[in-house]
Amino acid sequence: DTEVTQTPKHLVMGMTNKKSLKCEQHMGHRAMYWYKQKAKKPPELMFVYSYEKLSINESVPSRFSPECPNSSLLNLHLHALQPEDSALYLCASSQDLGGPMSTEAFFGQGTRLTVV
Amino acid sequence: AQSVAQPEDQVNVAEGNPLTVKCTYSVSGNPYLFWYVQYPNRGLQFLLKYITGDNLVKGSYGFEAEFNKSQTSFHLKKPSALVSDSALYFCAVRDYGAGSYQLTFGKGTKLSVIP
Repeated sequence: DTEVTQTPKHLVMGMTNKKSLKCEQHMGHRAMYWYKQKAKKPPELMFVYSYEKLSINESVPSRFSPECPNSSLLNLHLHALQPEDSALYLCASSQDLGGPMSTEAFFGQGTRLTVV
Repeated sequence: AQSVAQPEDQVNVAEGNPLTVKCTYSVSGNPYLFWYVQYPNRGLQFLLKYITGDNLVKGSYGFEAEFNKSQTSFHLKKPSALVSDSALYFCAVRDYGAGSYQLTFGKGTKLSVIP
């Protein structure tokens, strides 16, 4: 199984709503990531978890709150978002964060988020 | 700091012709280099990587890339393009030697294969 599964595929939310994006992998990977991607742009790193601990927060606004309940799951909690937060949110995982056996990251299909 | 440059926003090639998508990188340590492809409204799919060893790397769907340390390049190639290869291609680098955790992407190159 080399899949990263993201749910939901599409999400429309109002600026006062609270919602969550979910990501799951069963490859035994110990590093998991959230990226934000605007149309025709490269993915931008938001958060990195390593061994279920937050390793990197790329100065993301607090209206985005990540959570890693266990080694297979990664959530992104959303609250009071702005229309400019509309984007494709991608989850990824990799064997670990680096080292001699560093491997590629596997990406999910993404959640297309629209904030109205 | 690490960075990736993809100098072409778009590459057009006729079906059956060879294709090249260019990528150059900048790192302070040793690079790990990757190519990903993205189809519309989809996530990124891994194509191939260079970690160490042979400079010519073969990957999925007939793609290959050549690592050139002196030119700091990692161009993606395919001998014969298919219409189904039309997509957005991203080159990415991780500066292993500098202990970087971050995968830095180029801006992407849109490949259009014309029937």
